[in-house]
Amino acid sequence: NAGVTQTPKFQVLKTGQSMTLQCAQDMNHEYMSWYRQDPGMGLRLIHYSVGAGITDQGEVPNGYNVSRSTTEDFPLRLLSAAPSQTSVYFCASSYGSSYTFGSGTRLTVV
Amino acid sequence: KQEVTQIPAALSVPEGENLVLNCSFTDSAIYNLQWFRQDPGKGLTSLLLIQSSQREQTSGRLNASLDKSSGRSTLYIAASQPGDSATYLCAPYNFNKFYFGSGTKLNVKP
Repeated sequence: NAGVTQTPKFQVLKTGQSMTLQCAQDMNHEYMSWYRQDPGMGLRLIHYSVGAGITDQGEVPNGYNVSRSTTEDFPLRLLSAAPSQTSVYFCASSYGSSYTFGSGTRLTVV
Repeated sequence: KQEVTQIPAALSVPEGENLVLNCSFTDSAIYNLQWFRQDPGKGLTSLLLIQSSQREQTSGRLNASLDKSSGRSTLYIAASQPGDSATYLCAPYNFNKFYFGSGTKLNVKP
């Protein structure tokens, strides 16, 4: 099925650990983005990419790194996890204003 | 910085009622505005997209209006059903970025 696939769905990390959240899309969309959603708040943009090899910061980029080596994949890296990064993370890809969101990764940092 | 407010934060109604969900935003320089639906543990599904030049958009029992100059949008749900129970998110869009409100959590009782 065409869409955006995020892995893992759930993850528990210890403070200071690193990990990569995976995001893949099979719709050949140029634009991809990462959002985080915290309780009582809307989604906030972390990083985005307008095409392979091009990335830029969003509203809350600190503590996260991204790269875009292919059109299909846009991984999000946490270099040294902190409790403040406990959240639900959504990846999205888009063509124009038509967005497709993944089902999310629920991350807990203890 | 775009600030988005959604009122009410939560709403519980009996089946069959007509509903109005409100959204206000501070920066009227938007490209479009989208309303999304989010089910628990799931990603976001786009319901309606209103271009900045449009006043309203309709899809089935849903109607969304946009008053860009006053920074307001409303989502009207006619003849609500239990299957409409979800969180509804308003998101103005500009420069490849969404700015999300914190949502209205709707519960439609049978």
